[in-house]
Parts: sequence; structure tokens; C-alpha cells
Amino acid sequence: SQQGEEDPQALSIQEGENATMNCSYKTSINNLQWYRQNSGRGLVHLILIRSNEREKHSGRLRVTLDTSKKSSSLLITASRAADTASYFCATDAGGTSYGKLTFGQGTILTVHP
Amino acid sequence: EAQVTQNPRYLITVTGKKLTVTCSQNMNHEYMSWYRQDPGLGLRQIYYSMNVEVTDKGDVPEGYKVSRKEKRNFPLILESPSPNQTSLYFCASSLFGWNTEAFFGQGTRLTVV
Repeated sequence: SQQGEEDPQALSIQEGENATMNCSYKTSINNLQWYRQNSGRGLVHLILIRSNEREKHSGRLRVTLDTSKKSSSLLITASRAADTASYFCATDAGGTSYGKLTFGQGTILTVHP
Repeated sequence: EAQVTQNPRYLITVTGKKLTVTCSQNMNHEYMSWYRQDPGLGLRQIYYSMNVEVTDKGDVPEGYKVSRKEKRNFPLILESPSPNQTSLYFCASSLFGWNTEAFFGQGTRLTVV
């Protein structure tokens, strides 16, 4: 079963605009991660936010986590054509089950020049 | 350069012919995992390993085998491939489990005819 589910499934914006993607999950977690995948290639880690954190920044990326709503959002500010990719959230299973990392189905972001 | 290396990148095989996809990491990571990625289903975990000689099933282990005899290597074995195992496969590694950044290989596109 999918622990994380992203919304929207696809997002199309113009260069310079902000892009917001959301992730919902079902069970408690230790941390939530966001990854990026360029077409057919390996995933690249963007940011990790722990369950006791509410917000985290990395360059043009801002991630929030609301554990009461079991949701997270990824904001990319001032988007560029090079940001075109699929974005996935990933969650661990919580507790001491450190082996399982579950991905959502992803949001396909297209940034038009 | 820190990396996860998968081989081969592309493979076409016939039903029932045993194959092995290799995965090697040079970061001395303890955790390694295999995923398959299918359209509409996202990434699903096949097997994971928390250390040498320690492996466990992910969400879709049927039809696959793994072994972890050395820390750096985590091969994925398909004893009798079937067409429903046609997919894009990724190997990933992490230092201390999925509460740290995961590094992904470039993927192996497998077609079983």
C-alpha cells in the first residue's frame, strides 16, 4: 500500500512562478523525505524533515510538515525550466522499522520557459 | 565520487531465463534496497538489507531474491523472470537507514518477453 500520496499528479507552470506539491501519508513516521527524478533516471535526494520539525529550507525549496494532518508540502520558489521533473515524497514506517521506505506516486512538474 | 552503480542499464531477456542485476555502492553504507518503478504505481520496495547477511522483504518481493554477502554489493536475482517483471529497477543505499539521505543508482530497464 502507498504510504505517501502526492497531489497534484501533474503541475504545469511558467518560469518564475512558485510550485507547490503536497504529500499525505497514513501512519506515524520518523521522517519524511522529498526526492526529484528527471525522466527515467535515478532519484536525487532534496530534503529530509524529521517528525519533530515543522519547516525546513534548502535554497529555493521549502518543506513543511504537519504531523497532526499527516501531510507535507514542497514549495519551489522562482521555478526554472530545469526544475521540470517528477517529485516524490517518501516516508519510513515509523517506530523502529528503519528498513522500509515508501514512496508516493509522484507529482510531474513542467516548467515552461 | 560517491555513487551507487547498477549493471546492466538495459536488459532484454526471455521468460524463465535466470538473471542478476548487480548493485554496488562505494560509501560504506549499511542500508541497501531495491525498488521497481511502474507507470501509475510509483516506486515499490522489493527487498532491503540493513547490514551484511541481513535482508528482509519489502512490499513486492515475489519472484525476486537478494543476497548481501559484502557490505558494498546487493545483487537482485530473478530466478525465473516473467513478463510482469518488466519494469525500471533502482538500487538505493543509505548510511544508517531511511532516516538519512538515500542515494540511488541510475536504474536498470528490464524487459521480459
